[in-house]
Amino acid sequence: DAGVIQSPRHEVTEMGQEVTLRCKPISGHDYLFWYRQTMMRGLELLIYFNNNVPIDDSGMPEDRFSAKMPNASFSTLKIQPSEPRDSAVYFCASTPGLYYGYTFGSGTRLTVV
Amino acid sequence: DAKTTQPPSMDCAEGRAANLPCNHSTISGNEYVYWYRQIHSQGPQYIIHGLKNNETNEMASLIITEDRKSSTLILPHATLRDTAVYYCIVRVDTSGSRLTFGEGTQLTVNP
Repeated sequence: DAGVIQSPRHEVTEMGQEVTLRCKPISGHDYLFWYRQTMMRGLELLIYFNNNVPIDDSGMPEDRFSAKMPNASFSTLKIQPSEPRDSAVYFCASTPGLYYGYTFGSGTRLTVV
Repeated sequence: DAKTTQPPSMDCAEGRAANLPCNHSTISGNEYVYWYRQIHSQGPQYIIHGLKNNETNEMASLIITEDRKSSTLILPHATLRDTAVYYCIVRVDTSGSRLTFGEGTQLTVNP
């Protein structure tokens, strides 16, 4: 099992550009989460899906952020337009059920200049 | 979800047991105690969780007091690779409950 796979590992973009982060959850895991980590705010939950349906997106900071899960094996987090304050490490995680531990990916380090 | 209190940092000698405490005095009867850790530059890693009984797996042991107001994560033989931030999280396991990470404890294992 390759675990949760995120791409790219690093992304540097200019302010105003669109950024798309990608995640492949573990096969058979029905839940997928997007977290963001910064020094100031720690780890924050942005949104989570259950069976490809967004359940709670109250952590999404603003309309510039959107997330989709078109099928059970793929999810994207898009920021359009990006701003310097979006610079952070973005983690994707999956789990077979909320009782179980979550498996996190290695993260995408986003730098917006 | 109940709040947790952890010491900001701890040190441990390599090969010795590391005992990481967590206070959760407002825990409810249906809330579980979860432990995760995050090694520098990596994603968080699930360690163990429990409701009221002590739990053990290949990574660690979890000791929960009888009143459930505190718990201790035990790494029986700490290695340098156990140096990480350890998060204690209390939550119910139902839909709508977020896994919310606090500040955690920075454990440093020294040679």
